Amino acid sequence: EDKVVQSPLSLVVHEGDTVTLNCSYEVTNFRSLLWYKQEKKAPTFLFMLTSSGIEKKSGRLSSILDKKELFSILNITATQTGDSAIYLCAVRDNNDMRFGAGTRLTVKP
Amino acid sequence: KAGVTQTPRYLIKTRGQQVTLSCSPISGHRSVSWYQQTPGQGLQFLFEYFSETQRNKGNFPGRFSGRQFSNSRSEMNVSTLELGDSALYLCASSLRQNLQSNEQFFGPGTRLTVL
Repeated sequence: EDKVVQSPLSLVVHEGDTVTLNCSYEVTNFRSLLWYKQEKKAPTFLFMLTSSGIEKKSGRLSSILDKKELFSILNITATQTGDSAIYLCAVRDNNDMRFGAGTRLTVKP
Repeated sequence: KAGVTQTPRYLIKTRGQQVTLSCSPISGHRSVSWYQQTPGQGLQFLFEYFSETQRNKGNFPGRFSGRQFSNSRSEMNVSTLELGDSALYLCASSLRQNLQSNEQFFGPGTRLTVL
């Protein structure tokens, strides 16, 4: 059965720390992997990854995909309290899209 | 540029009724995707429309349907509502089909409560 597993489920860090969030998947006919940030409202799109080994970067956030080992990581450097959110990973196949349960990140001042 | 809008924002229905939710994408965006979010199941993909055609579909029963109009606005319909359909329904728009799109934007959602 297709699945997307995120770890850790919850993480508490202090401002300035670097965090790495993990997303592993088992999906037939993989097409892309997406990362989202969700605060109190609707998700915000972060990255879409389709190719292994190519890092996508946006400010302090970066992500990379390993299609051989079937996982992706999302890195956040120099964390700020505004990074506190649930980070969701989703994987698309030819037709469907499956989300992980998310990682709840709390950044303390 | 206006963002994705969804109407209504809140809705209360009773079991057995049907409901229609509306989503207006960002101007110029042709792809609209729908998602259901519940505390128990998390975020789940419903379907995606592009150029008035359903392109992708998640694992939901036939009670959940949708359509897209020529102006890219989309509606989602749920018939014979069940208690478990209570959820936040989100739509997202992107320029192209999500399989090729590199960015999508979410609306604020419609919170549906089924009594």
